[in-house]
Amino acid sequence: DAKTTQPPSMDCAEGRAANLPCNHSTISGNEYVYWYRQIHSQGPQYIIHGLKNNETNEMASLIITEDRKSSTLILPHATLRDTAVYYCIVRVAGGWDTGTASKLTFGTGTRLQVTL
Amino acid sequence: EAGVTQSPTHLIKTRGQQATLRCSPISGHTSVYWYQQALGLGLQFLLWYDEGEERNRGNFPPRFSGRQFPNYSSELNVNALELEDSALYLCASSLAAGLGELFFGEGSRLTVL
Repeated sequence: DAKTTQPPSMDCAEGRAANLPCNHSTISGNEYVYWYRQIHSQGPQYIIHGLKNNETNEMASLIITEDRKSSTLILPHATLRDTAVYYCIVRVAGGWDTGTASKLTFGTGTRLQVTL
Repeated sequence: EAGVTQSPTHLIKTRGQQATLRCSPISGHTSVYWYQQALGLGLQFLLWYDEGEERNRGNFPPRFSGRQFPNYSSELNVNALELEDSALYLCASSLAAGLGELFFGEGSRLTVL
């Protein structure tokens, strides 16, 4: 699986948009970008994923650059409850015969602190 | 619909003992993943099971093992516990053959004294 690079920490004022960057310069054509977050001492929570088009759901938006070497997760109106560690991972959307599909490497993520 | 459930929530063992952690995936999910998260660190991939078979494992010694049962639940066994095995052990499940997003349980915190 391609490796990702994220800033270790970011701050955001409540009510503002939080833009979390992720670099994945070695991403392959069949690898998706997934975002998860982990609130303190809880299990990680799925947020959003995409291949090459921008995606939006009720939680966030995902912007993927045209060359797919980087992406940005956008929380449009951050709240205190969004304080968490955000993980960007890339993953082959294939079956078990794609051996590396299962080795999802989460890394250390970005610790987002939302403040009043 | 019930999410991924893990037990026990907390487990305290001493060095050299064995620990067994259990995971029940979301109904309809056949893939189960195990991760280790040491304090302050990211998630380290341990094992992946699908349809009852081990499909892949991370860079962990053989004393970390597990299995998946016919009902797709899974257990993780850690033998000859060492102090550095103290961590949050997370289980996740997904649809067959590792497709789709992962849904995580709340984890089992193992403390080795």
